[in-house]
Amino acid sequence: GAVVSQHPSWVICKSGTSVKIECRSLDFQATTMFWYRQFPKQSLMLMATSNEGSKATYEQGVEKDKFLINHASLTLSTLTVTSAHPEDSSFYICSASVAENYEQYFGPGTRLTVT
Amino acid sequence: RKEVEQDPGPFNVPEGATVAFNCTYSNSASQSFFWYRQDCRKEPKLLMSVYSSGNEDGRFTAQLNRASQYISLLIRDSKLSDSATYLCVVNDYKLSFGAGTTVTVRA
Repeated sequence: GAVVSQHPSWVICKSGTSVKIECRSLDFQATTMFWYRQFPKQSLMLMATSNEGSKATYEQGVEKDKFLINHASLTLSTLTVTSAHPEDSSFYICSASVAENYEQYFGPGTRLTVT
Repeated sequence: RKEVEQDPGPFNVPEGATVAFNCTYSNSASQSFFWYRQDCRKEPKLLMSVYSSGNEDGRFTAQLNRASQYISLLIRDSKLSDSATYLCVVNDYKLSFGAGTTVTVRA
């Protein structure tokens, strides 16, 4: 099956710093990648959709200047949390798809803790 | 009203029991539904799609009730390994996740 990796799997950073999370599709070309966030005991919330070579489309309420998404190749998308605050602590999960509205394959997630 | 709502549980059942739970969705025009399984601190994994006529995959049965806008999941002959959180997902050109129903199967 399709494999998606994320790096790092967990990260602890200080308030005010920036953190970059990578999402890679290992055995297929992902035209579309999605970034989700999940707080404890809550549902996954879609943050943004990115198509390779295009600007990401952000969901309502997600600050694009705070959560920078780059999808420069068909196998890599990055999410940078800028000037992180403790309330940004969450489980960030990416998914990848060969095209929008096709099956999404999820990465293992990145647990971010901001102190 | 949330797009997708689930009973959070937990449902605590003995091995071998049958457990069933529902999920309601708000968009009557939704066409595509799924059940995902999520283990603690892990990513969600697709369990099964839900078809209009209802469908089975081994011990798992999914049903769709469009009139009442809910889908259901039934697990027969529960195994310890079925312990997980089950996420109801509706695809309206983006995936909308429920918060999950936690199932714990005890020996």
